[in-house]
Amino acid sequence: DAGVTQSPTHLIKTRGQQVTLRCSPISGHKSVSWYQQVLGQGPQFIFQYYEKEERGRGNFPDRFSARQFPNYSSELNVNALLLGDSALYLCASSLEARGSGANVLTFGAGSRLTVL
Amino acid sequence: AQRVTQPEKLLSVFKGAPVELKCNYSYSGSPELFWYVQYSRQRLQLLLRHISRESIKGFTADLNKGETSFHLKKPFAQEEDSAMYYCANRNNAGNMLTFGGGTRLMVKP
Repeated sequence: DAGVTQSPTHLIKTRGQQVTLRCSPISGHKSVSWYQQVLGQGPQFIFQYYEKEERGRGNFPDRFSARQFPNYSSELNVNALLLGDSALYLCASSLEARGSGANVLTFGAGSRLTVL
Repeated sequence: AQRVTQPEKLLSVFKGAPVELKCNYSYSGSPELFWYVQYSRQRLQLLLRHISRESIKGFTADLNKGETSFHLKKPFAQEEDSAMYYCANRNNAGNMLTFGGGTRLMVKP
């Protein structure tokens, strides 16, 4: 298994543009979560999706949106990009939506977004 | 709101010395604590979790509810332990991790 895969690995956008980031979970995992990691900080929760439904949302503006597809892959969209959106965007997958002893997150390598 | 605090941005020790990476949390519910590690040029990966009470790569961490802490310890640091370490708490709904700011551990030869 390739693990959690994310694309693109790096991208550069300008202010006001829109970006779409993609994530494929580990085979058999039904839940996908998105985190933003600004340089020098820990990851911050953006969304969780399970069975195509949003199950959790962090403290991010409506410019951020996401969706999950029938094959459990996911996309994160960010509109009207700001300089402060520059960050590493991490996708993580898990078997189920709710936490339990064995249900831990496995992270992808991330998509590094630079907004100029 | 929950919060996870890692007071040290950088911790530098010599090989063979004991290591303690501090983590304090603030959460009104029942905490579920994790330590994640990120080695150079690798992805974030789970190191250990408090419910398992396990030792991974010589590291242990004990949840102290009285002090609201979950410090990561290793008696003898190795150079390959050099990495970024993140402490995280999972909310009671089980759908969100709150991370601390991370501690960079440097183990010098």
